[in-house]
Amino acid sequence: GNSVTQMEGPVTLSEEAFLTINCTYTATGYPSLFWYVQYPGEGLQLLLKATKADDKGSNKGFEATYRKETTSFHLEKGSVQVSDSAVYFCALSIRGFKTIFGAGTRLFVKA
Amino acid sequence: EAGVAQSPRYKIIEKRQSVAFWCNPISGHATLYWYQQILGQGPKLLIQFQNNGVVDDSQLPKDRFSAERLKGVDSTLKIQPAKLEDSAVYLCASSPLGTGTGWDTQYFGPGTRLTVL
Repeated sequence: GNSVTQMEGPVTLSEEAFLTINCTYTATGYPSLFWYVQYPGEGLQLLLKATKADDKGSNKGFEATYRKETTSFHLEKGSVQVSDSAVYFCALSIRGFKTIFGAGTRLFVKA
Repeated sequence: EAGVAQSPRYKIIEKRQSVAFWCNPISGHATLYWYQQILGQGPKLLIQFQNNGVVDDSQLPKDRFSAERLKGVDSTLKIQPAKLEDSAVYLCASSPLGTGTGWDTQYFGPGTRLTVL
């Protein structure tokens, strides 16, 4: 079946530190991959996405590359800010099937 | 552009009572989703509508949960009777197209936090 596994949190970093949140997937077919972010008190919102192998999604300084060979879509940011504190969800979607979300990784950034 | 609206934001009920949640998607979006998000977990799809029709309700506990989407716009999710394990955040989302493309972006509302005592 289709599934998404992401690293457990919480992840606690100091401001300006480098961020990596790991995400791996299992899928039958060719999925599109997404990172959604949920800020405190708000709904999920799309952060970035990639629709085919080797694509790189990017937004607000965050990046993730669709790696088919390692079935991964790790989220990275070179210098985090306090305002990046949120819960990050990795997700996959395959044409004709429901979207599958990971369990989420909570990020705390300290000033 | 207005976002996805949900109400109420919070609801506390006792087990065996009934509850209803309302969702108004982004204007023009064909697809509407209801998710259940239990604390510490990712959203789990309960039901997906494409316009008026149900696309996927395989994970909807149909003995107690029901949902409808009138005229392909607003939607209501109902639980009757509620159980303790139904305590969760119920998220509504909409998308312009649907999972037929495999890459459609979903736009989420703020959710309704349900506590069942």
